[in-house]
Amino acid sequence: ELKVEQNPLFLSMQEGKNYTIYCNYSTTSDRLYWYRQDPGKSLESLFVLLSNGAVKQEGRLMASLDTKARLSTLHITAAVHDLSATYFCAVEYSGGSNYKLTFGKGTLLTVNP
Amino acid sequence: SQTIHQWPATLVQPVGSPLSLECTVEGTSNPNLYWYRQAAGRGLQLLFYSVGIGQISSEVPQNLSASRPQDRQFILSSKKLLLSDSGFYLCAWSVLGAAPQPQHFGDGTRLSIL
Repeated sequence: ELKVEQNPLFLSMQEGKNYTIYCNYSTTSDRLYWYRQDPGKSLESLFVLLSNGAVKQEGRLMASLDTKARLSTLHITAAVHDLSATYFCAVEYSGGSNYKLTFGKGTLLTVNP
Repeated sequence: SQTIHQWPATLVQPVGSPLSLECTVEGTSNPNLYWYRQAAGRGLQLLFYSVGIGQISSEVPQNLSASRPQDRQFILSSKKLLLSDSGFYLCAWSVLGAAPQPQHFGDGTRLSIL
């Protein structure tokens, strides 16, 4: 059974600071996704990471994937209040021709002025 | 462009009542379709997925069922709701293509059982 662990689960930051969210998973996979969820809303896709060493950046967020370590990171640079949300990583595994995601529990990020 | 619609957005139901949540996708053909539940605003649990009309796979034993009567329609049902069925239900779609694509989520249905 594929397990996905995120840490920290809760993160309170000051604006302007940097921090990293970690996502570990238990079995081999080279497809990992990061999503953002605002309170009471649905999930929005942020990044798709498809190979070892993949790095994607969008604004103040940068995601990377190390498939050998089974680890992905989401780095936040110079945080701003608008980044406050819950961030999920999800790992894809293939059940035959069906592609399913296993989600981490999410990291609730609060950016304080 | 592709869009996904879920309804209703909010639902309050008594224990023991039936349930029907509907999800439709537009702008794509033969999508994979998924139902998730999110309890207490945290992690997502995959309930059902479907790769084609009439093809449903259940991930966890529960009080719910799913059906796919048309290519782009996915329905989540229950004959008798339990208190534990409360949660935020999300429908999602994806397609298999040359490059892996993320799953795209609907706006969700917030279900409260009284």
